[in-house]
Amino acid sequence: GAVVSQHPSRVICKSGTSVKIECRSLDFQATTMFWYRQFPKQSLMLMATSNEGSKATYEQGVEKDKFLINHASLTLSTLTVTSAHPEDSSFYICSARVLREAHSGANVLTFGAGSRLTVL
Amino acid sequence: GENVEQHPSTLSVQEGDSAVIKCTYSDSASNYFPWYKQELGKRPQLIIDIRSNVGEKKDQRIAVTLNKTAKHFSLHITETQPEDSAVYFCAASKTNYGQNFVFGPGTRLSVLP
Repeated sequence: GAVVSQHPSRVICKSGTSVKIECRSLDFQATTMFWYRQFPKQSLMLMATSNEGSKATYEQGVEKDKFLINHASLTLSTLTVTSAHPEDSSFYICSARVLREAHSGANVLTFGAGSRLTVL
Repeated sequence: GENVEQHPSTLSVQEGDSAVIKCTYSDSASNYFPWYKQELGKRPQLIIDIRSNVGEKKDQRIAVTLNKTAKHFSLHITETQPEDSAVYFCAASKTNYGQNFVFGPGTRLSVLP
């Protein structure tokens, strides 16, 4: 089945550095991917919608210069946390929609495994 | 925009009992309602979904019901087992490709042995 591969799964960095997280769709093309942030014991908060070949669409309150998204190909979207600070520490998850006839014929969200970022 | 509420936030049941989680949505144009299960530190996994043209769907011990008029849908788990312990998220979406899903805040289910 369709799989979304995300890495790194864990990353620890120093304050002020930048961190790149990759999200790849395996065996399918994803013109749209979604990036979420999840705080402990909380829900998935959409940060931005990544569109292949065009600019990402950011949700209100998300700094586009802080969280750079690039969707250069139909199988790869990247999220770069620039000049990271301790408050950026979180669990970041990407997802892509896959047409699944077995699931009501709808476009089902398939998630990556997530990336836990710790900024020291 | 769409707003999804979910109750309860935590739920503890004895093994073998049933568990019910309820969600409401605000946008009457939403027509696709999936449920995701997320175990600690892992990715959310789709467990069941329903489209607005049906009122109920069942898959073994899991069922989902939808009331379009009242704009609410529920997840039912029967004969719960310890491995059902996880956080469950409901979501609402329109089925157009590229449309985002709006997630509920989640329910932490604990199945006690």
